Amino acid sequence: EAGVAQSPRYKIIEKRQSVAFWCNPISGHATLYWYQQILGQGPKLLIQFQNNGVVDDSQLPKDRFSAERLKGVDSTLKIQPAKLEDSAVYLCASSLPGAVDGALHFGNGTRLTVT
Amino acid sequence: AQSVTQLDSHVSVSEGTPVLLRCNYSSSYSPSLFWYVQHPNKGLQLLLKYTSAATLVKGINGFEAEFKKSETSFHLTKPSAHMSDAAEYFCAAGGTSYGKLTFGQGTILTVHP
Repeated sequence: EAGVAQSPRYKIIEKRQSVAFWCNPISGHATLYWYQQILGQGPKLLIQFQNNGVVDDSQLPKDRFSAERLKGVDSTLKIQPAKLEDSAVYLCASSLPGAVDGALHFGNGTRLTVT
Repeated sequence: AQSVTQLDSHVSVSEGTPVLLRCNYSSSYSPSLFWYVQHPNKGLQLLLKYTSAATLVKGINGFEAEFKKSETSFHLTKPSAHMSDAAEYFCAAGGTSYGKLTFGQGTILTVHP
């Protein structure tokens, strides 16, 4: 099966600019997650979707971050305006409904550098 | 609330020697536990998972982990390291909502020839 697709792989922007990341999950995976991985740390959940509804966005900085999942498939994560501390790898993951096997399938991530 | 602590930020071994990566967790209930591996510029790949069945869990590439409730530990082991095992390893705990994983800080494994 095809894996989780993310684009772009790398992005460099200046602070106060905006940026968007795209994710296409594995076919049939109703649950989609965005994780932020800061250098030297483990991934942190930003937002979780079940189909096109938000299940958990408690750790999403809503003043600058937004995410949507139209039609319950692809998703985009946007940052506006970006801050230096947003430099990180943004990982998208997907799983079966209720995560039948308890496991997430991750994409290769988008590495964001904010200068 | 859950937390996961990986006790070593870096582990260095020689090829052919055993690997031990340590993970402790804190949770108010018995969580699901996972080990993921991340190679450079790649996403995380599941190595193995514990979901309240057998306490000794076998995963891919010869890795295994043992769940010890009394010690709140879930250490990852491999009898003989291979050069291709060099990567960063993450221990994670699952919450009541599948997918909301809490990750440890990661352990970088270096394998010397």
